[in-house]
Amino acid sequence: GQSLEQPSEVTAVEGAIVQINCTYQTSGFYGLSWYQQHDGGAPTFLSYNALDGLEETGRFSSFLSRSDSYGYLLLQELQMKDSASYFCAVRVNDYKLSFGAGTTVTVRA
Amino acid sequence: NAGVTQTPKFRVLKTGQSMTLLCAQDMNHEYMYWYRQDPGMGLRLIHYSVGEGTTAKGEVPDGYNVSRLKKQNFLLGLESAAPSQTSVYFCASSPGTSGSGEQFFGPGTRLTVL
Repeated sequence: GQSLEQPSEVTAVEGAIVQINCTYQTSGFYGLSWYQQHDGGAPTFLSYNALDGLEETGRFSSFLSRSDSYGYLLLQELQMKDSASYFCAVRVNDYKLSFGAGTTVTVRA
Repeated sequence: NAGVTQTPKFRVLKTGQSMTLLCAQDMNHEYMYWYRQDPGMGLRLIHYSVGEGTTAKGEVPDGYNVSRLKKQNFLLGLESAAPSQTSVYFCASSPGTSGSGEQFFGPGTRLTVL
C-alpha cells in the first residue's frame, strides 16, 4: 500500500516563507511531485524530484531525501495568490501517482 | 489547444441512476486517468489507461467502469449510482514514461447522488 503524510493546514502572512513537509511509505518510488490546486479547480503540476537535493523554480523550491523517505515544498515571498491546496504525490511506477491528502495554505495580509 | 476537457461540469443523480462522464484530451497523450476527490482525502485513482483499448483498476474501482475506444477519449461510467459516489471527479492525461510523469488535469465534474 501507499502512505503519504503532510500537514493539513498552514497559515502565514504575505512575504513569509512556508515549508510543507511530506513523508511517504510506498511500494515503489520513481520520484516525488508537487501539485497546486486553487479552490477546487484543476490540480496543476509544480515540481518533480527524482534524485536527492533541491530543485528551484522561481519562488518555489522542492527538496527530496530518498534515504529518509522525505521531501518538502518551500514557498518563498508568499503572495495572496499562493493561497491554495498543495499535494505531494509519489510516482510509484512509470505511469501512476499516489497523492497525499493535501495541505491548505492560507496567506494573510 | 484545449488540453483536458470534461463533460458535464455538474450533475445531480438519484440513487440507482446511471451516467457516463466524458474526458477528452487533444495533446496526443498515451496515459489517461480518472480520480475522485473527497474532502480531506486528496485524489484517489479509480481507473487508468496506458493506451487506446486498454484499461486497468486503480485504488477505488468498485462501482465504476471505463472505456478507452479512442486515444483521445476516456469514459467513466456509473451503472447504479450510490450516495457514496458523491464526489468531484477529475480526469488527467500524461504523455508517457519519460520525464517527470507530469499529469495534466481537467476542470472536474461535480457529482451529487441523492
